[in-house]
Amino acid sequence: DIMMTQSPLSVAVTPGESASISCRSSKSLLHSNGITYLSWYLQRPEKSPQLLIYQISNLASGVSDRFSGSGSGTDFTLKISKVETEDVGIYYCVQFLEVPFTFGSGTKLEIK
Amino acid sequence: EVQLQQSGPEVGRPGSSVKISCKASGYTFTDYVMNWVKQSPGQGLEWIGWIDPEYGSTDYAEKFKKKATLTADTSSNTAYIQLSSLTSEDTATYFCARDTMGITLDYWGQGVMVTVSS
Repeated sequence: DIMMTQSPLSVAVTPGESASISCRSSKSLLHSNGITYLSWYLQRPEKSPQLLIYQISNLASGVSDRFSGSGSGTDFTLKISKVETEDVGIYYCVQFLEVPFTFGSGTKLEIK
Repeated sequence: EVQLQQSGPEVGRPGSSVKISCKASGYTFTDYVMNWVKQSPGQGLEWIGWIDPEYGSTDYAEKFKKKATLTADTSSNTAYIQLSSLTSEDTATYFCARDTMGITLDYWGQGVMVTVSS
């Protein structure tokens, strides 16, 4: 199985500042078709996961452009600009290259 | 508007089975694969498997092959997961989630809490 490793475990951010979350996969997520199967989700407290970004950097419909994704191969980053209180929750990276799909262990974002 | 409406919380006795539903609306049910994801209390997310409602084909994570059975009813646009031989390890929230062309999971149900208790 592909292992997904996220860091940090948690991050505390002052509103208006930025935050970055890293995700590393144990295998390249680049398929021979040119697509990299890496997505990011936010799970707010007591809610379902919400898709933020897919294919490394594509913003999901309705998601604020304060969220951005970058990276390639095995190393990926989610950046949240101008953090707001509504950004509180746990962020997960996920690989969809092959089954079983696997999730990172999550990064908890808190507001200072 | 795409919606995945899951059934209510379940309590199951150890050794018994429970069946959870996920009713899809706002899109053509047979056009998208449905996935299921487990979240144990205070834990992260774990992929269980998927079902293609059009053909009934399925795939499971190895650890869930004897635990979960995925089915779909195209007449009611509903996907199901049955969990058998329940143990305390099965106490968790179970989500259904729509698969977008194998690229990502774009819409999720609200989740169903399953509690295994005698």
